[in-house]
Amino acid sequence: DQQVKQNSPSLSVQEGRISILNCDYTNSMFDYFLWYKKYPAEGPTFLISISSIKDKNEDGRFTVFLNKSAKHLSLHIVPSQPGDSAVYFCAASAWGAQKLVFGQGTRLTINP
Amino acid sequence: KAGVTQTPRYLIKTRGQQVTLSCSPISGHRSVSWYQQTPGQGLQFLFEYFSETQRNKGNFPGRFSGRQFSNSRSEMNVSTLELGDSALYLCASSLARGLAGGPRHNEQFFGPGTRLTVL
Repeated sequence: DQQVKQNSPSLSVQEGRISILNCDYTNSMFDYFLWYKKYPAEGPTFLISISSIKDKNEDGRFTVFLNKSAKHLSLHIVPSQPGDSAVYFCAASAWGAQKLVFGQGTRLTINP
Repeated sequence: KAGVTQTPRYLIKTRGQQVTLSCSPISGHRSVSWYQQTPGQGLQFLFEYFSETQRNKGNFPGRFSGRQFSNSRSEMNVSTLELGDSALYLCASSLARGLAGGPRHNEQFFGPGTRLTVL
């Protein structure tokens, strides 16, 4: 039972354009969501998070949107840069639990 | 501020052996969580320690265990290794104040991982 799903295994975007990565979840108890970026042979790097009391959070080129009614979140990267090429994971947690439930990841490739 | 460190980075063991992995969290972080990453199952939560106590546990057999020391450093042990235990083992630390109150800090910062290969 996959509680966090990233349905696109890969995404290719031209440099300078917007990258949109999507994530769906099924567990209504989740109230905190995070995005991580991962390069091969390295640990995930924290990018941005959002609490369920918000519907948007911005940090520089990264914006996360949360639609609680649809149980959907998305990460927007604008403008996309070659260094953004990596695997992106969304993760979710429930109040009172440090356990993060991860999606399967989306490999983002930024083309020059 | 130094990041999360994990040792060793690479490890090769044979079936039936046991292994101990070590993690040093970011200074000031009291919560340490462990995850297993495999191509088939993705990133899966093993357990979390806070103030030397295991607070959460994932769905892994009892062969997987851990502990945390008073300086917040943590170790993870896998006994009677199986081929399927080959994976990248990741440690993550966070501020994670006690559940009773305080701001919530679920941002977990990961170490580089230990790549375990079981032959």
